[in-house]
Amino acid sequence: DIQMTQSPSSLSASVGDRVTITCRASQSISGYLNWFQQKQGKAPKLLIYAASSLQNGVPSRFSGSGSGTHLTLTISSLQPEDFAIYYCQQTYSTPITFGQGTRLEIK
Amino acid sequence: QVQLVQSGAEVKKPGASVKVSCKTSGYTFSSYGISWLRQAPGQGLEWMGWISVYNGDTNYAQKFQGRVTMTTDTSTSTAYMELRSLRSDDTAVYYCARDPNVGFYDSSASIFDYWGQGTLVTVSS
Repeated sequence: DIQMTQSPSSLSASVGDRVTITCRASQSISGYLNWFQQKQGKAPKLLIYAASSLQNGVPSRFSGSGSGTHLTLTISSLQPEDFAIYYCQQTYSTPITFGQGTRLEIK
Repeated sequence: QVQLVQSGAEVKKPGASVKVSCKTSGYTFSSYGISWLRQAPGQGLEWMGWISVYNGDTNYAQKFQGRVTMTTDTSTSTAYMELRSLRSDDTAVYYCARDPNVGFYDSSASIFDYWGQGTLVTVSS
């Protein structure tokens, strides 16, 4: 199985900050990576698919980049509603696997 | 609008089975597959497998092979996931998600754009 490791595990930031979350894969996954946001008690929400494509309806402050084993999610200017847990997900091979999550908290 | 509505919370004893439903609306049921995932309390997400609504084909994660069965009912646009021989570490929120894979499974096409609200399954003696 492909192991996905996110860093940092948690992050404190302020409204307006630019933040980057990294996802490293145990082997190359090309660009087969999706990013999700999850708020307490809710289902995950798709933000980015295929490493860098913005899902319909998702604000443009979210962006994804990278390929291979090192991929990133960037939020250009944090908004109050962005404080949540973020997960990366590889779909390069079965079984689909997720990172352990990055908790983004208000500083 | 696309909706996936799951059945309510369940409490089961170890060794029992649970069957979770996922009723869909707002799209052509047979034009997508359904993936099932779960999330243990305070933990990350785990993919359990996929079912084709089109032809009933399945692709289960090896971890769940022999213990899980996924089915669909096209007359009601509903998908089902049954997990048997429950253990305490099966306690989790179970989710269904719309999966673009239709007739055969290609993980690279699994983009989960719509999810059910989740069903908490608690396994306790």
